[in-house]
Amino acid sequence: DQQVKQNSPSLSVQEGRISILNCDYTNSMFDYFLWYKKYPAEGPTFLISISSIKDKNEDGRFTVFLNKSAKHLSLHIVPSQPGDSAVYFCAASPVTSGTYKYIFGTGTRLKVLA
Amino acid sequence: DTGVSQDPRHKITKRGQNVTFRCDPISEHNRLYWYRQTLGQGPEFLTYFQNEAQLEKSRLLSDRFSAERPKGSFSTLEIQRTEQGDSAMYLCASSLGVSEKLFFGSGTQLSVL
Repeated sequence: DQQVKQNSPSLSVQEGRISILNCDYTNSMFDYFLWYKKYPAEGPTFLISISSIKDKNEDGRFTVFLNKSAKHLSLHIVPSQPGDSAVYFCAASPVTSGTYKYIFGTGTRLKVLA
Repeated sequence: DTGVSQDPRHKITKRGQNVTFRCDPISEHNRLYWYRQTLGQGPEFLTYFQNEAQLEKSRLLSDRFSAERPKGSFSTLEIQRTEQGDSAMYLCASSLGVSEKLFFGSGTQLSVL
């Protein structure tokens, strides 16, 4: 039973346009969410996070939106650049025992076309 | 380079052999995590340490797997009697205290023939 789902395995976007990556979760105990970016042959790199007390967090070109009632979060990249081409994972965690034990989605491969 | 480093980057072994991987976290990070990633999946939590104490193990971590962090610095993950199903990328991550941000290494790609 997948608690964190990324239903789009891939996405192609023109350079300069907006990329929207989606993530759904099922566990209402999740209260912290992250997006990671992964290039081939490298480990995941932290991109942006959001806690359940917020509905939006921005960092430069990256914005994460959280809709708790729908158990849905999305990552917006504006404007998209060719260097953004990577696999993006969303991850969610309850904060239990004072640590974060993330459950990851299966990833969305983003391709930004020049 | 002051990031998380993992060694080796690639390991090919025959079924039934034992393998050991090493992870060196970011030096001031007291929490260290092991994850496993198989093809087409996201990373799956295996275990984590706070300093030298192993505080939690996933059900994914069978008896053939053992992880140590003897001095609270580097960590090793050993797999005994490897099986083809153990083939995966083994990722190590570290964090400072109770931080939500995990820093990942580049992983060790294990192939069991």
